[in-house]
Amino acid sequence: AQKVTQAQTEISVVEKEDVTLDCVYETRDTTYYLFWYKQPPSGELVFLIRRNSFDEQNEISGRYSWNFQKSTSSFNFTITASQVVDSAVYFCALSEASQGAQKLVFGQGTRLTINP
Amino acid sequence: DVKVTQSSRYLVKRTGEKVFLECVQDMDHENMFWYRQDPGLGLRLIYFSYDVKMKEKGDIPEGYSVSREKKERFSLILESASTNQTSMYLCASSPWGRGDTIYFGEGSWLTVV
Repeated sequence: AQKVTQAQTEISVVEKEDVTLDCVYETRDTTYYLFWYKQPPSGELVFLIRRNSFDEQNEISGRYSWNFQKSTSSFNFTITASQVVDSAVYFCALSEASQGAQKLVFGQGTRLTINP
Repeated sequence: DVKVTQSSRYLVKRTGEKVFLECVQDMDHENMFWYRQDPGLGLRLIYFSYDVKMKEKGDIPEGYSVSREKKERFSLILESASTNQTSMYLCASSPWGRGDTIYFGEGSWLTVV
């Protein structure tokens, strides 16, 4: 069965530090999709990135970068030069092609606090 | 931009009441979902619908039902609310197609007393 593990429950850093959020997944499918979402205090989940299992290229978007490694079943998220506005709960999620519709399985979430 | 709107942000209901949580999306998406979020458990899928009048159970359907009479609207129903259903409920939608992004609403905080 599919599973997503975010081992870091809470992380607290000082502004401008770099921080990496870990995500490890389990799946038997060869075709699957990985996502990261941000949940600010307002509650809405904001989509950050989607990656399919055939694309292992790392991606950078401004201060955000993602490292996808199939060999270790990991999809880690790094924020460079963190800012207070990055404070939120971050979720990693997985969907499997064999499940048809895009049912997401979420990790437990990592609460990130950036202190000024 | 995709907009998923949940009708109520905060609700307080009594044990045994029937509760309706409404969700509307404006992007003509085929798929709609209801998730429940609890601390330490992440988000768990309650029900999803891939077409009007079609529904499938998710991981935790017990105590819930859903209704989808129109493509843009997906309702979550608690037939007889219980205190263990106190939670944050998130509605989501996505277009048909594997791996497409799922878009979420702002959530509804339900407290059952």
